[in-house]
Amino acid sequence: AQSVTQPDIHITVSEGASLELRCNYSYGATPYLFWYVQSPGQGLQLLLKYFSGDTLVQGIKGFEAEFKRSQSSFNLRKPSVHWSDAAEYFCAVGVDTGGFKTIFGAGTRLFVKA
Amino acid sequence: SQTIHQWPATLVQPVGSPLSLECTVEGTSNPNLYWYRQAAGRGLQLLFYSVGIGQISSEVPQNLSASRPQDRQFILSSKKLLLSDSGFYLCAWSRGQRSGYTFGSGTRLTVV
Repeated sequence: AQSVTQPDIHITVSEGASLELRCNYSYGATPYLFWYVQSPGQGLQLLLKYFSGDTLVQGIKGFEAEFKRSQSSFNLRKPSVHWSDAAEYFCAVGVDTGGFKTIFGAGTRLFVKA
Repeated sequence: SQTIHQWPATLVQPVGSPLSLECTVEGTSNPNLYWYRQAAGRGLQLLFYSVGIGQISSEVPQNLSASRPQDRQFILSSKKLLLSDSGFYLCAWSRGQRSGYTFGSGTRLTVV
């Protein structure tokens, strides 16, 4: 069965430090992979996506993610975190079962300290 | 440009009362539409999705239902709410798997 695992429930980083959020997926075929960000009380916003080609993808707000097929991972990174990046981040995998469903991980809450 | 509207933003309903949440998309045609629920501190659970008018697929058996009476309108309903229906409900649309989802701003439902 398809699944997405985000091992870290929450992470705290200092402003200006680098960030890496982990994501592992389980899917038999070539996955469509996504990262979304959610501010409190808001909907989710798409940060970036991967479905083929270069395994390092760039997204909005200075984020990037790297697809590693051998590790079934799609980790999100940012070189220098800003206080406004504090939010919840969701990794997701798109599955084509005739209905184009997306399965989300449980999310990682990012806290940024001054 | 495409926009998605979801309302109401917040809702407090007594147990046993009916529910109707509405979602509309503008600026596109024949979108794939989705209803997700997010419980406090948890991930997103897919409730329903639709690939066309009148076509509804249910992911989780429960006392909720969905309808798509028009191409860009998606409605989430219940005849009798339960306490366990409380949560944050999100509507989303997509063009297909490669495009990802665009989410509405959500409805916070509290059943009391």
